[in-house]
Amino acid sequence: AQRVTQPEKLLSVFKGAPVELKCNYSYSGSPELFWYVQYSRQRLQLLLRHISRESIKGFTADLNKGETSFHLKKPFAQEEDSAMYYCALSNTNAGKSTFGDGTTLTVKP
Amino acid sequence: EAEVAQSPRYKITEKSQAVAFWCDPISGHATLYWYRQILGQGPELLVQFQDESVVDDSQLPKDRFSAERLKGVDSTLKIQPAELGDSAMYLCASSHGTSGGSSYNEQFFGPGTRLTVL
Repeated sequence: AQRVTQPEKLLSVFKGAPVELKCNYSYSGSPELFWYVQYSRQRLQLLLRHISRESIKGFTADLNKGETSFHLKKPFAQEEDSAMYYCALSNTNAGKSTFGDGTTLTVKP
Repeated sequence: EAEVAQSPRYKITEKSQAVAFWCDPISGHATLYWYRQILGQGPELLVQFQDESVVDDSQLPKDRFSAERLKGVDSTLKIQPAELGDSAMYLCASSHGTSGGSSYNEQFFGPGTRLTVL
């Protein structure tokens, strides 16, 4: 069975501070990991995926297979980063997706 | 820019009634997903289609829920009869799907249908 755990329901930081949203997964094969974001009154959208290894809006995430983690990081948080963040895992064979329960990030001025 | 469409956006019904939700994915997307999202939780996959075929419906309560994607394009999710515990956001998403071993699993989400069962 595949599972995604986001241990923090709520995370609050001040503008300019570093932020890290944690994600741990369990899966027996080689997963595809994603971070999705939902801004207020908008639909869920992809932020980044581990395969592309790119930085989006200053966010990066590294897949650590040893620790089965895919934490999302940003060195200097901005107020516009306030949103709900979901970590998701896709089964590379059939594409079945499992989402974590999300972390609400609040960046205070 | 192409988007996933869903209707209705909101639905209020009484328990034991039937409800149906519709989803139109992005043109050309082979894979279509239906999720249920209960307040405070992440989306839970109910059913996944690859073209018109169901590839996963292990979490679909089949005694009351049904889903179809007859022509491999748009899809309908039905609940009959609705129960109080079905109150949730129902999300539809689509993706290119898998092709030749490589994966195009980025999902594009619709706005959702908020269901309230009274």
